Amino acid sequence: AQSVSQHNHHVILSEAASLELGCNYSYGGTVNLFWYVQYPGQHLQLLLKYFSGDPLVKGIKGFEAEFIKSKFSFNLRKPSVQWSDTAEYFCAVNLSGGYNKLIFGAGTRLAVHP
Amino acid sequence: NAGVTQTPKFQVLKTGQSMTLQCAQDMNHNSMYWYRQDPGMGLRLIYYSASEGTTDKGEVPNGYNVSRLNKREFSLRLESAAPSQTSVYFCASSEQRGTEAFFGQGTRLTVV
Repeated sequence: AQSVSQHNHHVILSEAASLELGCNYSYGGTVNLFWYVQYPGQHLQLLLKYFSGDPLVKGIKGFEAEFIKSKFSFNLRKPSVQWSDTAEYFCAVNLSGGYNKLIFGAGTRLAVHP
Repeated sequence: NAGVTQTPKFQVLKTGQSMTLQCAQDMNHNSMYWYRQDPGMGLRLIYYSASEGTTDKGEVPNGYNVSRLNKREFSLRLESAAPSQTSVYFCASSEQRGTEAFFGQGTRLTVV
């Protein structure tokens, strides 16, 4: 069965620290990849997405992610986090070419301290 | 711009009661989804509808039924609520295969 793994469940950082959140998926076919963010008490919002082309994609609020096909990974990065980045981050995979089913990882809860 | 609208936002049920969660989208999207969100487990797909007239089971369909009433609306029904169904439920929609999903604000359901 297809699955998405996020390595870190909780991350605590100080402001200005660099962030990298890991995401791996288990599916050998063509995939579309997403990172969503959920701020406290809110619904999920799209941070960035990868469908094809340049494996380094840039999203909103200074986030970026790199797709490494050989490692089945799509890690999220931000060079310098802010207190307002405190949120839960979800990696998601959609199996391209098949039925439209979006599978999420368990999420990583990020807390940024001033 | 409403996007994806879910009702109700909060609900408390007694064990054994039934209820229907409503979802409507105004983006003319083909695909719609129901997820539940539980602490430490992320979002798990309950049911999805790839297009009007079709529905399919996701990862955790037991205890739920769905209806794709038309292209706009996708409802989730709990026939006999159980405490294990206490969760936050999110409806989402996407335009077509592989594209990003847009989420509703969620329904916080408590079963006592």
